[in-house]
Amino acid sequence: QLQLRESGPGLVKPSETLSLTCTVSGGSIIIGSYYWGWIRQPPGKGLEWIGSIYYSGSTYRNPSLNRRVTISVDTSKNQFSLKLSSVTAADTAVYYCARHLEVAKVGSALQYFDYWGQGTLVTVSS
Amino acid sequence: SYVLTQPPSVSVAPGQTARIPCGGNNIGSKNVHWYQQKPGQAPVLVVYDDSDRPSGIPERFSGSNSGNTATLTISRVEAGDEADYYCQVWDSSGDHVVFGGGTKVTVL
Repeated sequence: QLQLRESGPGLVKPSETLSLTCTVSGGSIIIGSYYWGWIRQPPGKGLEWIGSIYYSGSTYRNPSLNRRVTISVDTSKNQFSLKLSSVTAADTAVYYCARHLEVAKVGSALQYFDYWGQGTLVTVSS
Repeated sequence: SYVLTQPPSVSVAPGQTARIPCGGNNIGSKNVHWYQQKPGQAPVLVVYDDSDRPSGIPERFSGSNSGNTATLTISRVEAGDEADYYCQVWDSSGDHVVFGGGTKVTVL
């Protein structure tokens, strides 16, 4: 059974960089048709996609966060990571990692998240 | 960018049918996916590609998509279905994922 687990500091100071890692177990990160994504959820609010990465390093990123987001992959460790720079209190959220399927269809594309980590709360505060 | 609109809440009595709309411009031309999120838990995929169910999801969960509205339907609602539900699409014009704002389903 595929499992994903987020890890990283639970508290980050304003203006600093948030860093999280997602470790994938029960399957390889090197698999066709699957990206690996980050999604966040501020307390009491909805889901916001941050970005996704393929094992080759190709990425998709949310335009609203693009300039502050770096997503990387380490296939040797079966991990992928998120860095979000210049954080503010608005970046306080539960951060989830998830497996992101991408399948081409005629005239469209299937893109959805089929496995999720449990999430980790990151608070931005001095 | 593409916007998905969901009502903040839907209430339904046990045994009845809940219908959760997700509105978007010509959403019928996109593939819509639905997630269930219970308090303190990660989201779970309940419908993908408009109307398909992952393994393990009850047949009570179904989806449809046409015109400007996609709908998640929960038949014979149970107390355990009380949760937040999110719709999601891929915006191919900008190559990014879009989530709806979420709908809280309350079982009366």
